[in-house]
Amino acid sequence: SQQGEEDPQALSIQEGENATMNCSYKTSINNLQWYRQNSGRGLVHLILIRSNEREKHSGRLRVTLDTSKKSSSLLITASRAADTASYFCATDAKLVFGQGTRLTINP
Amino acid sequence: DSGVTQTPKHLITATGQRVTLRCSPRSGDLSVYWYQQSLDQGLQFLIQYYNGEERAKGNILERFSAQQFPDLHSELNLSSLELGDSALYFCASSVGPDPYEQYFGPGTRLTVT
Repeated sequence: SQQGEEDPQALSIQEGENATMNCSYKTSINNLQWYRQNSGRGLVHLILIRSNEREKHSGRLRVTLDTSKKSSSLLITASRAADTASYFCATDAKLVFGQGTRLTINP
Repeated sequence: DSGVTQTPKHLITATGQRVTLRCSPRSGDLSVYWYQQSLDQGLQFLIQYYNGEERAKGNILERFSAQQFPDLHSELNLSSLELGDSALYFCASSVGPDPYEQYFGPGTRLTVT
């Protein structure tokens, strides 16, 4: 099974709403990263959170990390149509990406 | 623009053939990673090179091989191609040996007919 597994597989919301997606992993980590992929394009690094951090913000992105539960969440606030993409998490422990969460923002 | 370049953008070839995909990392990055993305398998890590040496290996088939040259560019060789090898192949790079922040190229779309 994958080191980083995103949930849900797909999420569809209205523009302006908040979107939350989750990631679970299996082994100890030093850091966890979130990436975005627009259809057919390369992944873009969004944010990195270290194992000693519980929460990190970057613009409209908020990432939390719970090492006791081996899980992370990515919150996108005030979503925009341009946020439509797939979102992946990855850890430094293993170079494995999950299947991603496909986020669709409806205008 | 991530600064990572990949050539070619598209490649169409027949089963049994051999192809070479090329990647140039961002200036200053010493690590290169190769990934395969297909609809049913998601994004699969294949192999990582750091400063010319193989550093990590993922689900890379024996028919596939890669190398990183002294100028740090990398090539992924795919041989005895099968229909199932049709996929997007991404290259990524990072500064150091650990994948703390990877920069992805635009990918090469391989179609095997």
